[in-house]
Amino acid sequence: NAGVTQTPKFQVLKTGQSMTLQCAQDMNHEYMSWYRQDPGMGLRLIHYSVGAGITDQGEVPNGYNVSRSTTEDFPLRLLSAAPSQTSVYFCASSYSGTSGAGANVLTFGAGSRLTVL
Amino acid sequence: AQKITQTQPGMFVQEKEAVTLDCTYDTSDPSYGLFWYKQPSSGEMIFLIYQGSYDQQNATEGRYSLNFQKARKSANLVISASQLGDSAMYFCAMRESGTSYDKVIFGPGTSLSVIP
Repeated sequence: NAGVTQTPKFQVLKTGQSMTLQCAQDMNHEYMSWYRQDPGMGLRLIHYSVGAGITDQGEVPNGYNVSRSTTEDFPLRLLSAAPSQTSVYFCASSYSGTSGAGANVLTFGAGSRLTVL
Repeated sequence: AQKITQTQPGMFVQEKEAVTLDCTYDTSDPSYGLFWYKQPSSGEMIFLIYQGSYDQQNATEGRYSLNFQKARKSANLVISASQLGDSAMYFCAMRESGTSYDKVIFGPGTSLSVIP
């Protein structure tokens, strides 16, 4: 049982380059999300999804695109990287729902450290 | 506006003592969930405890308990009998209604250091 798998673990980009951070989960979770972690800011929600074909913006969506064509995968795309997007990115997934302790208890990937020069 | 506030950027506690990490939140939803996560220096995120807004009892999980004061909109984490392995970042999080769907957002975190 792999849980949540993120790739790559490390990436260095030049300003203006594009890239995709991959996220896959094998737990049949409906809810998937992307966060960025910056010192002193905690984890800020970029985009999230509650099922295949359904995505919504989080707190800091600008500069990022997502799609959810399958339950398992939720890639995060940077179309034109900027130095302000230098951060550690976490993908997380959970069951949906509003009742019970299991709902929305997030399982996290190991994180992807992105540097934009 | 910050929806989750953690006013203690850094905390120190003596080993074997109890410590309280503060969390206040802002929501107008009647139904929401509150979570605490731990992030050791290795970087992984570990779920600790959950409290539902309609739960009558404060949640407990081993040495962790959540002091839930609904009227004050606070959800403080209490760690009893601190251990050296408790040194980590601690994040308070909340499930709230998004524009269309529920989502989970986090506070800025508190860095806890346990002193031998």
